[in-house]
Amino acid sequence: AQSVTQLGSHVSVSEGALVLLRCNYSSSVPPYLFWYVQYPNQGLQLLLKYTSAATLVKGINGFEAEFKKSETSFHLTKPSAHMSDAAEYFCAVRGTGFQKLVFGTGTRLLVSP
Amino acid sequence: SQTIHQWPATLVQPVGSPLSLECTVEGTSNPNLYWYRQAAGRGLQLLFYSVGIGQISSEVPQNLSASRPQDRQFILSSKKLLLSDSGFYLCAWRASGSQETQYFGPGTRLLVL
Repeated sequence: AQSVTQLGSHVSVSEGALVLLRCNYSSSVPPYLFWYVQYPNQGLQLLLKYTSAATLVKGINGFEAEFKKSETSFHLTKPSAHMSDAAEYFCAVRGTGFQKLVFGTGTRLLVSP
Repeated sequence: SQTIHQWPATLVQPVGSPLSLECTVEGTSNPNLYWYRQAAGRGLQLLFYSVGIGQISSEVPQNLSASRPQDRQFILSSKKLLLSDSGFYLCAWRASGSQETQYFGPGTRLLVL
């Protein structure tokens, strides 16, 4: 069965610092991986996705993620945090039957001035 | 372009009362549709998904039910709400076929008192 582990329920960074949000996955089929962002009281917005093409995926708002099969990881990074990046971030993997996504428990990113 | 709507945005209901949340999608045909619940401080739990009119798959046994009376309409219902039904309910759609990405609506905040 597919699963996702997000290390750290909360990550705090200073404005301008590197953002690193960790995601490790387990999948019995070639994985499709996703990062979503959720701002308070809003739905989820797709940041980026990996679907077996280039291993370094660039998304919106300056975020990118690298698929590393040997490490079963898909960590999300951004070189310089902005106050507007404060939100909750979810990693997800394609589920069995392909119609479903399996989500991690989320990481809340806090950005201080 | 495709859009997804949910209403109401916020709902406060007494224990034991009925529930009906609605989700509609515009700009696409025969989408896969999903209902998720997000409890406070927790990740997303898939409740139901549908691949077509009248076709509903339930992921977890619970006090809720779902229906799909029209191609782009997905309804979440309950006959008698429980306190534990409180949470943030998200509807999502996905194009049928090989595309994997799910796109989320703005959500409904439900508080059961």
